[in-house]
Amino acid sequence: GAGVSQTPSNKVTEKGKYVELRCDPISGHTALYWYRQSLGQGPEFLIYFQGTGAADDSGLPNDRFFAVRPEGSVSTLKIQRTERGDSAVYLCASSRNDRGDTEAFFGQGTRLTVV
Amino acid sequence: AQSVTQLGSHVSVSEGALVLLRCNYSSSVPPYLFWYVQYPNQGLQLLLKYTTGATLVKGINGFEAEFKKSETSFHLTKPSAHMSDAAEYFCAVSRWGNQFYFGTGTSLTVIP
Repeated sequence: GAGVSQTPSNKVTEKGKYVELRCDPISGHTALYWYRQSLGQGPEFLIYFQGTGAADDSGLPNDRFFAVRPEGSVSTLKIQRTERGDSAVYLCASSRNDRGDTEAFFGQGTRLTVV
Repeated sequence: AQSVTQLGSHVSVSEGALVLLRCNYSSSVPPYLFWYVQYPNQGLQLLLKYTTGATLVKGINGFEAEFKKSETSFHLTKPSAHMSDAAEYFCAVSRWGNQFYFGTGTSLTVIP
């Protein structure tokens, strides 16, 4: 596609439920990043993939959070036993590589609300 | 370790006035530096970046930033603010094989 696509754009779930957030990166981009943005804050790093493997998952807050990218393209962020504190906008970005000097292209995010 | 500090969570300027948004970074190695803009209900969009070479970097929409290693700064400027510049601005730092670290953002208001 032309840009990074995230689905759904909005998700409301009940506390304790399981959710999956999907990210379709720009075709050919090998690096994929997940960030979380709370109101009034900058994006907070969660995890990034280089190809199919998680190159750095140090930002995942706890073991309720997990992400996969099985074929090196689409990625899914999975949150188990959701809590109200998980409410935020989850951003996905992709870039041609993970050299660090390459622009990351961001999706519009998924707004997760846990009630 | 890397981090980014943006001084001033809210900045207001009059239309036509100079825009100055401040960003300081800390990094153990020479970093790559970025400014992103986020308009309401939109994704983050790259304004400009510094990787190597000329320290004064020009970006889109008339914005520019200067990398000053001695001051560990990468402030964003625009000579004349336009109403359409009202948005949230984020400074970010990265380096080879690493993720992006973002500042907490500066909300720019342009007063007519």
